[in-house]
Amino acid sequence: QKEVEQNSGPLSVPEGAIASLNCTYSDRGSQSFFWYRQYSGKSPELIMFIYSNGDKEDGRFTAQLNKASQYVSLLIRDSQPSDSATYLCAVNMASNFGNEKLTFGTGTRLTIIP
Amino acid sequence: EPEVTQTPSHQVTQMGQEVILRCVPISNHLYFYWYRQILGQKVEFLVSFYNNEISEKSEIFDDQFSVERPDGSNFTLKIRSTKLEDSAMYFCASRSGLGGETQYFGPGTRLLVL
Repeated sequence: QKEVEQNSGPLSVPEGAIASLNCTYSDRGSQSFFWYRQYSGKSPELIMFIYSNGDKEDGRFTAQLNKASQYVSLLIRDSQPSDSATYLCAVNMASNFGNEKLTFGTGTRLTIIP
Repeated sequence: EPEVTQTPSHQVTQMGQEVILRCVPISNHLYFYWYRQILGQKVEFLVSFYNNEISEKSEIFDDQFSVERPDGSNFTLKIRSTKLEDSAMYFCASRSGLGGETQYFGPGTRLLVL
């Protein structure tokens, strides 16, 4: 069973601090990785995607990928109360090439404390 | 900005009844997906659809489920005889396929089977 693992939290971070969210995946050949944000009762909303090892920055968000360690993370700088949500890690497993179905983790619930 | 739309937003049905969930993917997208999320659980892949046929389906997607693209815009999920355990949020997603792997999710349909 190919899995995506996340710490379910909750993770509490003071406003203005850095929130760090982590994800590991089991399929070593996985190629593309996505972070979605999900507010309660809403649909997943894309935050970032990353395909290559290293860091990718977009505004206050940085995704980090280490394929050797099968690890992907999301950093949120200058955390705001509006960042409070569940963050879903999703992986396109290698076996899905051409189909691109996503395997999701259970999500990490993040709370930003004003 | 183009969006995936879904109707209805909420559906309540009796066990054993048929339901049809509707989705309008983003125009010019070529790949379509259905996912579901049981309350408090992870987002799970149901089925992917490309070129007017199913490209992959999960174990959840049994004979009670079917998908159809009846015209150039709509993409539907039919559950023939609903069960209590079909109660969930159902998300439609689409992907361009033209070098883009990102899946964009619709707002979801909350299905409650009584």
